[in-house]
Amino acid sequence: DIQMTQSPSSLSASVGDRVTITCQASQDISNYLNWYQQKPGKAPKLLIYDASNLETGVPSRFSGSGSGTEFTFTISSLQPEDIAIYYCQHYDNVPLTFGQGTKLAIK
Amino acid sequence: EVQLLESGGGLVQPGGSLRLSCAASAFTFRNYAMTWVRQAPGKGLEWVSAISTSGGTTYYADSVKGRFTISRDNSKNTLYLQMNSLRAEDTAVYYCAKGKGAVTSPVDYWGQGTLVTVSS
Repeated sequence: DIQMTQSPSSLSASVGDRVTITCQASQDISNYLNWYQQKPGKAPKLLIYDASNLETGVPSRFSGSGSGTEFTFTISSLQPEDIAIYYCQHYDNVPLTFGQGTKLAIK
Repeated sequence: EVQLLESGGGLVQPGGSLRLSCAASAFTFRNYAMTWVRQAPGKGLEWVSAISTSGGTTYYADSVKGRFTISRDNSKNTLYLQMNSLRAEDTAVYYCAKGKGAVTSPVDYWGQGTLVTVSS
């Protein structure tokens, strides 16, 4: 099975800050990577697929990059409504494993 | 708007069984692979199982293989998860989710989740 390792596990930033989360795959997954946002008590929401494609309706301050084993998720200017847990997930093959999540808080 | 409505969760004793259902609407159900993802209380997301468009191919996480069975009824636009020999570690919110296409594709819509609690 492919293991997905996210870092950091938590971070605190100020409104307007640039925030970056990384995700490392245990083997080459090409660009088969998603990023999800999960707010408390809610289902996850797809933000980025194919490592860098923005899902329809998602604000442009969210972006993703990378290929192979190293991936990055960025919020260009943190907003209060971005407080959530963010997960990466590969879809190269089954099982489609998730990273452990990054909890984002406002400083 | 795409809707996925799970039902069937509840409290069950260890060793017991439950059948989850997920009623889909506002999209052509038979054209998309479907997935179950679970989340234990306070924990991260765990991919559980997936099924192809026709239902002919199914996939399972090792943690549920041999105990859970995924199925679908394309005539009823409904996805199922039969869960047998339940264990305390199966306690979680179970989400039904729609893929963008095949089983190995991004999940673009999620249900609201149904809570399964395995406890004596």
